[in-house]
Amino acid sequence: GENVEQHPSTLSVQEGDSAVIKCTYSDSASNYFPWYKQELGKRPQLIIDIRSNVGEKKDQRIAVTLNKTAKHFSLHITETQPEDSAVYFCAAPPWGGSQGNLIFGKGTKLSVKP
Amino acid sequence: EAEVAQSPRYKITEKSQAVAFWCDPISGHATLYWYRQILGQGPELLVQFQDESVVDDSQLPKDRFSAERLKGVDSTLKIQPAELGDSAMYLCATGETGSSHNEQFFGPGTRLTVL
Repeated sequence: GENVEQHPSTLSVQEGDSAVIKCTYSDSASNYFPWYKQELGKRPQLIIDIRSNVGEKKDQRIAVTLNKTAKHFSLHITETQPEDSAVYFCAAPPWGGSQGNLIFGKGTKLSVKP
Repeated sequence: EAEVAQSPRYKITEKSQAVAFWCDPISGHATLYWYRQILGQGPELLVQFQDESVVDDSQLPKDRFSAERLKGVDSTLKIQPAELGDSAMYLCATGETGSSHNEQFFGPGTRLTVL
């Protein structure tokens, strides 16, 4: 069954505000957590990822935090801009999975209002 | 910058017909994935190849779907016969290796509409 849950499904923020998207996973042995951005009509693209040996990773306005005890990880976007509007997907290895497989969350549609 | 290529970009077919999608990976990428993405949801894995071998097809409806990667490079996904519920975006993604987790590079997808 599905083992990656993502919330919220939609998020609307004002330009300049922060946005936070959260995902939970099932397998405590999971060790890789990527975030993909999919703009309307375009392919998903990796924006940031984190491995289980660190708790936080930043790349300019984007950061990902990982709580292994609670089995959740979050995407943080600061100083949001209209071009951040897109659908964001989290992913994690499936229960007992290996070989590079990923299970994707259902996605969060982020709207940044100017 | 190298990208994953897919064709066709759009396909409209009638139910019970056969359809085929093609994926050309980034050169050197040993791992290839086929995903189905229903509107408003995340990609769902159908099949994973490592070189020419299938390593996971547990979610592939094998009564009507088939996939091959004969030479370990490009790949074809086939549906025969197509059903109304198969309408979706079919995404191909590739990566450098399947032995550990690394970035998956997605193609533009094939949007299938079954009438």
